[in-house]
Amino acid sequence: DSGVTQTPKHLITATGQRVTLRCSPRSGDLSVYWYQQSLDQGLQFLIQYYNGEERAKGNILERFSAQQFPDLHSELNLSSLELGDSALYFCASSPDTGNYYEQYFGPGTRLTVT
Amino acid sequence: AQSVTQLGSHVSVSEGALVLLRCNYSSSVPPYLFWYVQYPNQGLQLLLKYTSAATLVKGINGFEAEFKKSETSFHLTKPSAHMSDAAEYFCAVTNQGGKLIFGQGTELSVKP
Repeated sequence: DSGVTQTPKHLITATGQRVTLRCSPRSGDLSVYWYQQSLDQGLQFLIQYYNGEERAKGNILERFSAQQFPDLHSELNLSSLELGDSALYFCASSPDTGNYYEQYFGPGTRLTVT
Repeated sequence: AQSVTQLGSHVSVSEGALVLLRCNYSSSVPPYLFWYVQYPNQGLQLLLKYTSAATLVKGINGFEAEFKKSETSFHLTKPSAHMSDAAEYFCAVTNQGGKLIFGQGTELSVKP
């Protein structure tokens, strides 16, 4: 158990809908990262937050957004869903930002868009 | 730009045999390198990391990796495979700010 929690575990929704994925980092970790894992794209970095502020953006679609709240939990919002958004979405956390710190991954949320 | 290439999307070994999973990286700055393991229907677990302190890095579950700058490699090894090692393994390099850039992954199968 990494200490990172993600809810829900599974999500099935229809095209065009909007969903919210939630992540609680390890106690004391200030940095949260979101990754998408799909068969065709592999594991890709989406976005990073540090202590409530957006720190880095990766291959995140404009239909996707995220935020980190004062209690440090984070939410990833996916809207106007398409079939191709079906994937495993991971949240990871680390104590601080920077290359040195290893990231601890949550169990993931499996999103299926039908 | 930084990148990681894992040679072999699937590796199969017999129980007790040497495990060798290959990873080559590209980085314009001294890299931080990581190996993660993903068991079926689970998240990623850190096996080991290289942060320039020592070129031979020991990790959990008997795994180790050697950083070779001249070959831009960071191959993962384990002397004797166990059935429980069957999983997918990811090599990753960090970019500025710590975001991980992953290789395509190597699925390890262990035959009895």
